Amino acid sequence: GDSVTQMEGPVTLSEEAFLTINCTYTATGYPSLFWYVQYPGEGLQLLLKATKADDKGSNKGFEATYRKETTSFHLEKGSVQVSDSAVYFCALSDRRQSNDMRFGAGTRLTVKP
Amino acid sequence: ETGVTQSPTHLIKTRGQQVTLRCSSQSGHNTVSWYQQALGQGPQFIFQYYREEENGRGNFPPRFSGLQFPNYSSELNVNALELDDSALYLCASKSGQETQYFGPGTRLLVL
Repeated sequence: GDSVTQMEGPVTLSEEAFLTINCTYTATGYPSLFWYVQYPGEGLQLLLKATKADDKGSNKGFEATYRKETTSFHLEKGSVQVSDSAVYFCALSDRRQSNDMRFGAGTRLTVKP
Repeated sequence: ETGVTQSPTHLIKTRGQQVTLRCSSQSGHNTVSWYQQALGQGPQFIFQYYREEENGRGNFPPRFSGLQFPNYSSELNVNALELDDSALYLCASKSGQETQYFGPGTRLLVL
């Protein structure tokens, strides 16, 4: 079945460093891809999404491009802040296959001042 | 416009007990999904409800059941609780093919 694999964490960066969190997926169809963020003690917030190949999702300085040829959706940010410290989840959804959303295991990011 | 809300925020139960968790969907959303998120893991799909009918189910036993009401709010019921049921339970709502939005979750501890 469809699945998502994320780079293992934790990831620790200094403020203003460049961030990349790798995400690859396996899917039989043409899924939509998402990044969600979870702050301590909270639920998931949608960070960005892309619904088809070559789409770029962006929000709050974060970006990810849907790469069908490499089945990837890597999350990037040029300059991280302390407030970006959270757990990031890559996810896919293909409503033509099923009604569920498949998540990666999450990557914990800590940004130090 | 209010977002997805869940109650209670925290809950402690003992093995063998039953629990009911509640979710109010975002205004205008007719589809509700429930997820279980164990500590340190990503959310796992339990089931989805659309217009009061179950509309997809993940790999969870029948002791996990649910309801959706005419106002699209929803309940998750878990019978015969086991220690491994300790997790954050997330509710998400959406309308049609749009993106789903998550509530803050209910943290369940089974002792």
